[in-house]
Amino acid sequence: QPVLTQSSSASASLGSSVKLTCTLSSGHSSYTIAWHQQQPGKAPRYLMKFESSGSYNKGSGVPDRFSGSSSGADRYLTISNLQSEDEADYYCETWDSNTRVFGGGTKLTVL
Amino acid sequence: EVQLVESGGGLVQPGGSLKLSCAASGFTFSGSAMLWVRQASGKGLEWVGRIRSKANNYATTYAASVKGRFTISRDDLKNTAYLQMNSLKTEDTAVYYCSGRDGVTGYWGQGTLVTVSS
Repeated sequence: QPVLTQSSSASASLGSSVKLTCTLSSGHSSYTIAWHQQQPGKAPRYLMKFESSGSYNKGSGVPDRFSGSSSGADRYLTISNLQSEDEADYYCETWDSNTRVFGGGTKLTVL
Repeated sequence: EVQLVESGGGLVQPGGSLKLSCAASGFTFSGSAMLWVRQASGKGLEWVGRIRSKANNYATTYAASVKGRFTISRDDLKNTAYLQMNSLKTEDTAVYYCSGRDGVTGYWGQGTLVTVSS
């Protein structure tokens, strides 16, 4: 089954951009993933579904500042013009016919 | 407006049972897969299981940690998904979220806390 690897933490300054990485395990580099945001003390929020082709569909109300990209087995979530409310945990998720897995999450700190 | 509202959480003794509900509105529930995901305090998200739509034969699949103990079902007339949890263990203590996926986008509920303790 697929495994997703995320850095445990990241930080960037207010108004800057940050690129978070989610790496798919060997043999699963073509898998579609989803990104989710979880602000402190809140439920997760669906951000987008990202296909290996590079196309993505955002969730309702997700700002244009959030975008996705990929390179090989790596999937990226880029957040531009960072705002204080972007400080949160970010999880990637993938699935096949029998299972779903989440990455360990990246805690983003906005400086 | 999309809403997913979980209910049924609470305190239960080890070995006990609990049934969670997830009432959905604002999206095409009947055409969506429904997931259950849990999160222990201070930990990451853990997938529990999934039920597909009628078009996909209501197929279910579960994480190894809950297989044989948890059962997911749905009632499309009531726009509600369920998670029946039996033989509960202390390690099942977590906030349980339901999540809907319609193939294009997704939605999350606010979660319900399940505490397994004597």
